[in-house]
Amino acid sequence: AQSVTQLDSHVSVSEGTPVLLRCNYSSSYSPSLFWYVQHPNKGLQLLLKYTSAATLVKGINGFEAEFKKSETSFHLTKPSAHMSDAAEYFCVVSDQGFQKLVFGTGTRLLVSP
Amino acid sequence: GAGVSQTPSNKVTEKGKYVELRCDPISGHTALYWYRQSLGQGPEFLIYFQGTGAADDSGLPNDRFFAVRPEGSVSTLKIQRTERGDSAVYLCASSLSAGPQFFGPGTRLTVL
Repeated sequence: AQSVTQLDSHVSVSEGTPVLLRCNYSSSYSPSLFWYVQHPNKGLQLLLKYTSAATLVKGINGFEAEFKKSETSFHLTKPSAHMSDAAEYFCVVSDQGFQKLVFGTGTRLLVSP
Repeated sequence: GAGVSQTPSNKVTEKGKYVELRCDPISGHTALYWYRQSLGQGPEFLIYFQGTGAADDSGLPNDRFFAVRPEGSVSTLKIQRTERGDSAVYLCASSLSAGPQFFGPGTRLTVL
């Protein structure tokens, strides 16, 4: 069965500094991986997805993630945090048909001025 | 509409009552999914429809939960004899056949 582990429940950064949200996955086959963001009282929004093409995936709002098979990791990064990035971020793995998403427990990103 | 919509946005009910939660997917999306998100947790898969049929209902916790999608568009999640443990945000998502899932804002269910 697939699973993901988000290593930090909370991450705090200052505006303008880099963001790193860590995720490790477990899958019995080549996984499809996603990052979703959830702002308060809003729906989940897809940031980016990895589906066995390029290992460095670029998403919306300046975020990117790198798939590292040797480390079973899919960490999310952004060079410079903005106040509007404050939200809950979920690392997600899916089955081969993209039909059942398995979510991590989430990382809350706090951005201070 | 432009996105997935869910109604009601909030539902408060008493233990033992029956509730229905509605989801309107993005027009043209053939696949529809229900998830449940408990406080402080990530969403958990409940059921997946491809067209009118439930292709995978392995996430439904017990037989009090049931979902339908009679015309292959709108879906209703039905919960009988609600329990306090059913309190959560119920999320609906839709997608093209095998594409990324787009989520609605959710229905917050509170069982007193």
